[in-house]
Amino acid sequence: DAGITQSPRHKVTETGTPVTLRCHQTENHRYMYWYRQDPGHGLRLIHYSYGVKDTDKGEVSDGYSVSRSKTEDFLLTLESATSSQTSVYFCATGQGSAETQYFGPGTRLLVL
Amino acid sequence: KNEVEQSPQNLTAQEGEFITINCSYSVGISALHWLQQHPGGGIVSLFMLSSGKKKHGRLIATINIQEKHSSLHITASHPRDSAVYICALNFGNEKLTFGTGTRLTIIP
Repeated sequence: DAGITQSPRHKVTETGTPVTLRCHQTENHRYMYWYRQDPGHGLRLIHYSYGVKDTDKGEVSDGYSVSRSKTEDFLLTLESATSSQTSVYFCATGQGSAETQYFGPGTRLLVL
Repeated sequence: KNEVEQSPQNLTAQEGEFITINCSYSVGISALHWLQQHPGGGIVSLFMLSSGKKKHGRLIATINIQEKHSSLHITASHPRDSAVYICALNFGNEKLTFGTGTRLTIIP
């Protein structure tokens, strides 16, 4: 267990409100990832980080932004939540995708 | 375009049966991962392999690079093996591409 926590674990919000999800790791892993998981789809990459202040987009980045001001924290922000962003969000960490990734417990987000 | 295909989508078996889950892909990869997602939602990595075979307890993962195919086998299956098994591919960059998973149910 790589010591990855996510907060909050559950959130209900209204369309148009900003939402920030936090991922915290204690393993000093270089890479951190944000995924969303929806029925009928595999896990899809939203954004990832390869170091402090170094981030890049994934395949479903529209409507999301991220920040990584220190190694242990990776924040995912929905600037103005939409119902299509209702999903389960997973954070993962690792030393590179050619290496094992360690997943957080997930955050279940409902946008009404 | 699905770069990774898993089969079957759903599998129900009796306790003790030998289980095989398949993953096929269409382009060259540098590594393939097998993950397990528990009914409660948690995801754990089982194997990462780029060639040959790996074994951990009752789980065996194989990959055939030429045929672009990997299998995950479970021997002497148990109800606690019930989970979604996910195949993920690395194409030589920092990202993984995930399959949609195989839902396995083991009946006592």
